[in-house]
Amino acid sequence: QQQVKQSPQSLIVQKGGISIINCAYENTAFDYFPWYQQFPGKGPALLIAIRPDVSEKKEGRFTISFNKSAKQFSLHIMDSQPGDSATYFCAASNQGGSEKLVFGKGTKLTVNP
Amino acid sequence: NAGVMQNPRHLVRRRGQEARLRCSPMKGHSHVYWYRQLPEEGLKFMVYLQKENIIDESGMPKERFSAEFPKEGPSILRIQQVVRGDSAAYFCASQGQLPFFGPGTRLTVL
Repeated sequence: QQQVKQSPQSLIVQKGGISIINCAYENTAFDYFPWYQQFPGKGPALLIAIRPDVSEKKEGRFTISFNKSAKQFSLHIMDSQPGDSATYFCAASNQGGSEKLVFGKGTKLTVNP
Repeated sequence: NAGVMQNPRHLVRRRGQEARLRCSPMKGHSHVYWYRQLPEEGLKFMVYLQKENIIDESGMPKERFSAEFPKEGPSILRIQQVVRGDSAAYFCASQGQLPFFGPGTRLTVL
């Protein structure tokens, strides 16, 4: 049973455009929703995270939007750059991030120059 | 990823051999998670350990896989009698307030 569904599987954006990746979850006990960025041959690196008491969190060009009633959250990358080309994973966990993470299947983002 | 050490970074084994993957968490962290990433897939939880104790092994295959985190030394993920389906990237995450992932061990089974 996949508890976190991520879409799209791949995404191609032009430099300067907006990249949008969506995730939906099933377990209402989840209370921590991070996004990870992974480059080929590397481990996942925490990009930005949100807790369900807020609907949006912004850090630089990266924004998480969170819809608790719909059990959905999304990552927006503004002014996308070629260096943003990577695979992005959404995840969810209980206990504010101190429990195991359940990951989406990932979105491979390509930003063309 | 700084501070979480995993070795080896690449490991090649023939079917039937044993694979040992090591993870040293960040300084001061006493909890580690192991995750497996199959090609083109997300990470899947395997096991959660603290020093000398397995907290949650609900994601571990029932056979051939074991994990430990001794009082001294790194955490070890051991895969006995490897099969081709074990080929994957194995990541450990060091747990402080939030998890930080190591660079992973890429296991290839020939």
